Amino acid sequence: AQKITQTQPGMFVQEKEAVTLDCTYDTSDQSYGLFWYKQPSSGEMIFLIYQGSYDEQNATEGRYSLNFQKARKSANLVISASQLGDSAMYFCAMREYGGATNKLIFGTGTLLAVQP
Amino acid sequence: NAGVTQTPKFRVLKTGQSMTLLCAQDMNHEYMYWYRQDPGMGLRLIHYSVGEGTTAKGEVPDGYNVSRLKKQNFLLGLESAAPSQTSVYFCAATLGGNQPQHFGDGTRLSIL
Repeated sequence: AQKITQTQPGMFVQEKEAVTLDCTYDTSDQSYGLFWYKQPSSGEMIFLIYQGSYDEQNATEGRYSLNFQKARKSANLVISASQLGDSAMYFCAMREYGGATNKLIFGTGTLLAVQP
Repeated sequence: NAGVTQTPKFRVLKTGQSMTLLCAQDMNHEYMYWYRQDPGMGLRLIHYSVGEGTTAKGEVPDGYNVSRLKKQNFLLGLESAAPSQTSVYFCAATLGGNQPQHFGDGTRLSIL
């Protein structure tokens, strides 16, 4: 069965430093997508970045990049030059394309605290 | 630029009461979802819909019912609320494929 694992319940990072949030996944499908969402203390879910299983290059969106290692089944989020506003909960999610339901399976999240 | 709108934002119920949460989207997306979020458990899928008139069970469907009579609306019902249903509920919609799910702002529901 498909599963997303985020092993870091919480992390601290100094402002302006880079931080990596870990995500591993388990799937038997060849075609899938990986998503990262940010949830600030205000509660909304904000989409950050997407990586498809057939994408050859790692996805990047501004200060966010995805370190995709298919053989290891990992899709770590890298935030460069951390800002105080990056303090939030971060969720990794996976979508399998075989079932045509477009459902997402979420990890349990990592709470990031950016320190000044 | 509304996107996905959830109503209400907060609600307190007594055990045994019923209520309906409304999700409305103005993006013409086919796929819609209801999740619940509990501390330490991420988001878990309750029910979902792949188009108008369709619904299906997700990971944690017990105690909930849904309807999608119109494409833009996805309703989540609690027939007889229980304290275990105290949670934050999120609705989401997507075009599918490599497009992300767009979320509403959530409904915080407390069952006493």
